[in-house]
Amino acid sequence: ETGVTQTPRHLVMGMTNKKSLKCEQHLGHNAMYWYKQSAKKPLELMFVYNFKEQTENNSVPSRFSPECPNSSHLFLHLHTLQPEDSALYLCASSQDPNGGLTYEQYFGPGTRLTVT
Amino acid sequence: KQEVTQIPAALSVPEGENLVLNCSFTDSAIYNLQWFRQDPGKGLTSLLLIQSSQREQTSGRLNASLDKSSGRSTLYIAASQPGDSATYLCAVSPYGQNFVFGPGTRLSVLP
Repeated sequence: ETGVTQTPRHLVMGMTNKKSLKCEQHLGHNAMYWYKQSAKKPLELMFVYNFKEQTENNSVPSRFSPECPNSSHLFLHLHTLQPEDSALYLCASSQDPNGGLTYEQYFGPGTRLTVT
Repeated sequence: KQEVTQIPAALSVPEGENLVLNCSFTDSAIYNLQWFRQDPGKGLTSLLLIQSSQREQTSGRLNASLDKSSGRSTLYIAASQPGDSATYLCAVSPYGQNFVFGPGTRLSVLP
């Protein structure tokens, strides 16, 4: 148990559906991250939030919409996804990356998403 | 652009053997390097974090070393056990940027 939880753990959705992934951290961190892990590809950073403000959007398509209402919660809203978006979506948190410094990241268990 | 590679892609060893996993990165201007393990279909578990000013870190049977000038890190696992079977990922943090991950080494420790 890393102190980062994600729900749901598994999700199957059609291309016209709208769904949301949730991440919650209990570590007192101020930075939260969304990553995508596809089969046989390195982990890809999608979004970074620091103190609730989005600090990085790694050229992610608009069908993925993040939301960070506070430093403990992070959502990823999904709509009109494509089958190639099927992947493991991982959330992570860390101390705030202040001044360009980065700190140890703690990951949640991930949400296995299948788009049919 | 920072690129991270890990060799070998997969490794299979008998139980009890000592082993070394390798991580290479193209830009030596990094702030820190982190090793993770990932069990199939699950999230990442942090193993060791090495700051750029450090040369190694140890935790139990694990020892990670860092040679910034040559762009390399190694993860040494002593007396391997079947429970060590997992994918091991390294990630480097260029200064002012977020972590860049390698593709991982899939380790199988056979009883």
